Amino acid sequence: QKEVEQNSGPLSVPEGAIASLNCTYSDRGSQSFFWYRQYSGKSPELIMSIYSNGDKEDGRFTAQLNKASQYVSLLIRDSQPSDSATYLCAVKTTSGNQFYFGTGTSLTVIP
Amino acid sequence: DGGITQSPKYLFRKEGQNVTLSCEQNLNHDAMYWYRQDPGQGLRLIYYSQIVNDFQKGDIAEGYSVSREKKESFPLTVTSAQKNPTAFYLCASSPRSDTQYFGPGTRLTVL
Repeated sequence: QKEVEQNSGPLSVPEGAIASLNCTYSDRGSQSFFWYRQYSGKSPELIMSIYSNGDKEDGRFTAQLNKASQYVSLLIRDSQPSDSATYLCAVKTTSGNQFYFGTGTSLTVIP
Repeated sequence: DGGITQSPKYLFRKEGQNVTLSCEQNLNHDAMYWYRQDPGQGLRLIYYSQIVNDFQKGDIAEGYSVSREKKESFPLTVTSAQKNPTAFYLCASSPRSDTQYFGPGTRLTVL
């Protein structure tokens, strides 16, 4: 069983719509959760981190965490073509100092 | 100008050669990591170090070696024992407790 799982997509949304990206994880004791954006040929850049159950908003981005369901999501409101990228979910486990990454969801925002 | 630097950006290796990828950070982060990313796949951990002169193997350490003689530097050597080294290599660093930040990456190709 993979530590972190994401729907690989591709996910396509029209410009201005809400994009919803989902991630599940297997280590129930995980405490730290991250979303990264990766443009083609580039390295991942941190979008958001979340540690507590509930929602965390930063501009057009909202991260949602449900530890009971072992589920974390990222909502992108008013999607723009510049949001087209692969989004990686990462989880830091409690067993060490390692981070586990999902395989990423490819998002395309259609103008 | 703070950040993580990796060099070279592109690297070509002949069969049987060892090559070393550089990673330097001036963020005063304790932990450093090396990942490998293959097309369409997530990040896989090669090695990580939480403190100078100490490092641990990740999931795919075979054929790789590292050193951590200075806090700022964590070079990765891809040895001839690594049979399929063509990939995008990413270095990351992290403060003691949380959040990884990535360098720009090195793209290694075997000729």
